[in-house]
Amino acid sequence: ETGVTQTPRHLVMGMTNKKSLKCEQHLGHNAMYWYKQSAKKPLELMFVYSLEERVENNSVPSRFSPECPNSSHLFLHLHTLQPEDSALYLCASSPGQGTENEQFFGPGTRLTVL
Amino acid sequence: LAKTTQPISMDSYEGQEVNITCSHNNIATNDYITWYQQFPSQGPRFIIQGYKTKVTNEVASLFIPADRKSSTLSLPRVSLSDTAVYYCLVGDQAGTALIFGKGTTLSVSS
Repeated sequence: ETGVTQTPRHLVMGMTNKKSLKCEQHLGHNAMYWYKQSAKKPLELMFVYSLEERVENNSVPSRFSPECPNSSHLFLHLHTLQPEDSALYLCASSPGQGTENEQFFGPGTRLTVL
Repeated sequence: LAKTTQPISMDSYEGQEVNITCSHNNIATNDYITWYQQFPSQGPRFIIQGYKTKVTNEVASLFIPADRKSSTLSLPRVSLSDTAVYYCLVGDQAGTALIFGKGTTLSVSS
């Protein structure tokens, strides 16, 4: 499989559940990103990893916990979420960290928190 | 951070050329200008990127004046499948990540 893949594509969870979103890139890129897109809102950058090290964390609540075990995989661990966390969560990767690099996005995970 | 301003929405008909202009008055010297396209419930897709003057690829052209305070994405002969949200972005000064605005929703009709 090529490109950026995300699993699951859809997730429904209660506020007390713990779940994880998975992202995998098959492009040999060194940087990976998590974005959140709520209904009718711009994409919000959540986390940036470069060579498996977190380089940016945009004041994201601690109920979201990222993990980057290697340059091909990125996880977003979720616990005690709120209904307002329902959104499309997008993963992206790029060859390097600089903004001149094209970002390749996955299809997203549609999360619903009940 | 360089902020961008673009129209909220535009309408067009199939076969027409569409030009979407973006303002970025505070663009930094090292910032690139990048445009992405997004369909509903999908991740954005890179369209084109430039630094100055004109850039053309198989799907679009990007025009950047000398002062770089604005840029125009030109889509030749649009089709119904070009209906999407188009984002204009400039890199932040730290060079870590792109900042997405609200984008321009382009609606193409037959």
